[in-house]
Amino acid sequence: EPEVTQTPSHQVTQMGQEVILRCVPISNHLYFYWYRQILGQKVEFLVSFYNNEISEKSEIFDDQFSVERPDGSNFTLKIRSTKLEDSAMYFCASYRDRYSPLHFGNGTRLTVT
Amino acid sequence: DQQVKQNSPSLSVQEGRISILNCDYTNSMFDYFLWYKKYPAEGPTFLISISSIKDKNEDGRFTVFLNKSAKHLSLHIVPSQPGDSAVYFCAAFGGNTGNQFYFGTGTSLTVIP
Repeated sequence: EPEVTQTPSHQVTQMGQEVILRCVPISNHLYFYWYRQILGQKVEFLVSFYNNEISEKSEIFDDQFSVERPDGSNFTLKIRSTKLEDSAMYFCASYRDRYSPLHFGNGTRLTVT
Repeated sequence: DQQVKQNSPSLSVQEGRISILNCDYTNSMFDYFLWYKKYPAEGPTFLISISSIKDKNEDGRFTVFLNKSAKHLSLHIVPSQPGDSAVYFCAAFGGNTGNQFYFGTGTSLTVIP
């Protein structure tokens, strides 16, 4: 069964450094998302992406964050200058069309030291 | 703005008995609802969904019930198995909410052998 793939599974970085989290959504999906979950807290929406542009973003998704779909398969989340509070699990998700299920990857654990 | 709520943070059930997980929502424009299961250090896994034109959807041991007038949905797991022990999230989508899925805070289910 097709699945959403995320790399790396764990990323450790120093505060102020840039990180890029990578995702390969399911191939025939059209809508792409990033969520994050800080340890012990709820899953929080960051951004949705459709037709090569951001369709919605949350307050968390400030100027430090950007997303890109550089080719037909990858979907990336970049954090330009990481802060300690960016430490979380970051989940990529995708779905085919409205009213079909959202499918998640296994996440990237980002640790900012 | 918590549009989807799961008021029980945890639930314990004996193996073989029924598990009932509850979810309430506030936006009457939601018209598609989903349940996800999440193990630690993994992404949420889609379980079952229901559209607002139905009040029940069944898939094996999992049944989702939707009560639109009460803005309430529930997930029934019968019979419960130890492998069902996980965090369960409900999610809602649709109407005037754009492409965003709204998630509850999760209920941690423990099935006791």
